Amino acid sequence: AAGVIQSPRHLIKEKRETATLKCYPIPRHDTVYWYQQGPGQDPQFLISFYEKMQSDKGSIPDRFSAQQFSDYHSELNMSSLELGDSALYFCASSPRQEQFFGPGTRLTVL
Amino acid sequence: RKEVEQDPGPFNVPEGATVAFNCTYSNSASQSFFWYRQDCRKEPKLLMSVYSSGNEDGRFTAQLNRASQYISLLIRDSKLSDSATYLCAVNFDQAGTALIFGKGTTLSVSS
Repeated sequence: AAGVIQSPRHLIKEKRETATLKCYPIPRHDTVYWYQQGPGQDPQFLISFYEKMQSDKGSIPDRFSAQQFSDYHSELNMSSLELGDSALYFCASSPRQEQFFGPGTRLTVL
Repeated sequence: RKEVEQDPGPFNVPEGATVAFNCTYSNSASQSFFWYRQDCRKEPKLLMSVYSSGNEDGRFTAQLNRASQYISLLIRDSKLSDSATYLCAVNFDQAGTALIFGKGTTLSVSS
């Protein structure tokens, strides 16, 4: 079965640089979520989109923005990167309540 | 106080043991409940949705107690491959709403 696709899988950036993470949901899933998971932490919700409109917002820094496109893929844009942004970034998609996670992007900020 | 709380463990059990995890949630408006399994440095994988009537999938049984605001996961006949972190998660049952996770319970099954 098709799963959530995320790219890139690994990303290394310097402080103050920008990064763009991409997420391709499972076909026919209309909702996309972004989560951040730091070392030893549980996933923390950042933002979600339902039918291309922002539907919920969590602890997403103002330096981050995201959108969902007409083909339902989503991008998370991160600017002025800080050391503390180093984490696993997961995208999840859902058709209703159950959320299915992609393999994540591991971001390292040096 | 965190919205979703779990005993972090670790739970160290021998193969074949039965182990149970509990998870409590603070927001009575929570509507949907889930158990996820997460292996080290991997994505959370949905193990089970938890329904009011309880549900079972092979060796795994999940229960919901709305009055006491907790959910449980029972694993019977533990296998080495069950070693992982088990995360409980809740949300408000609207499209696009966040999952609130507990910090996870670590299970280690040994031979």
